[in-house]
Amino acid sequence: DGGITQSPKYLFRKEGQNVTLSCEQNLNHDAMYWYRQDPGQGLRLIYYSQIVNDFQKGDIAEGYSVSREKKESFPLTVTSAQKNPTAFYLCASSIWPGGNQPQHFGDGTRLSIL
Amino acid sequence: GESVGLHLPTLSVQEGDNSIINCAYSNSASDYFIWYKQESGKGPQFIIDIRSNMDKRQGQRVTVLLNKTVKHLSLQIAATQPGDSAVYFCAENILGSYIPTFGRGTSLIVHP
Repeated sequence: DGGITQSPKYLFRKEGQNVTLSCEQNLNHDAMYWYRQDPGQGLRLIYYSQIVNDFQKGDIAEGYSVSREKKESFPLTVTSAQKNPTAFYLCASSIWPGGNQPQHFGDGTRLSIL
Repeated sequence: GESVGLHLPTLSVQEGDNSIINCAYSNSASDYFIWYKQESGKGPQFIIDIRSNMDKRQGQRVTVLLNKTVKHLSLQIAATQPGDSAVYFCAENILGSYIPTFGRGTSLIVHP
């Protein structure tokens, strides 16, 4: 079955450490997205990518970085500059342009501070 | 208005009841709306969508109603089951933008 795979499911970060969250999709979607979800909050967009080798900042990009070297993969790095990284991170994909199409989500990575 | 906090609005129902979850959207230029279901520890799952040229759309046990006059969206779940317990949230797509805006969500608790 086609879908989005996020790994790991749980991740712990030490002070000053960069960590990378993996997101892979086999839906042949052009667009991929990273969201942050905090308790009681809506999804907030970190970065998105419409095509390979191109990506755009979302509303809360500071302290995060991404790459899009392959259509199937959109890893997110949480850098040491992100001072409050504890959250549930969701990766999504969609057809582009996706104005009238739903996004498909992975099952998330929960990041905590050690 | 609703304050930002840790707790989502909650709807508690008995198994077999019908549930209605509401969403007020923000932009009158929005032309596409989606409802998602998110179970604990999982990613959101698409339930149903509706375009702005419609005011009602039905799926299996779910109906979405759109009232553009008051910028209101609702999700009706018929014969609610314990497996329907989850957080439900709406998303709106503004005409010309391909990035949706997500609401905070409502927690649905179904009592057996």
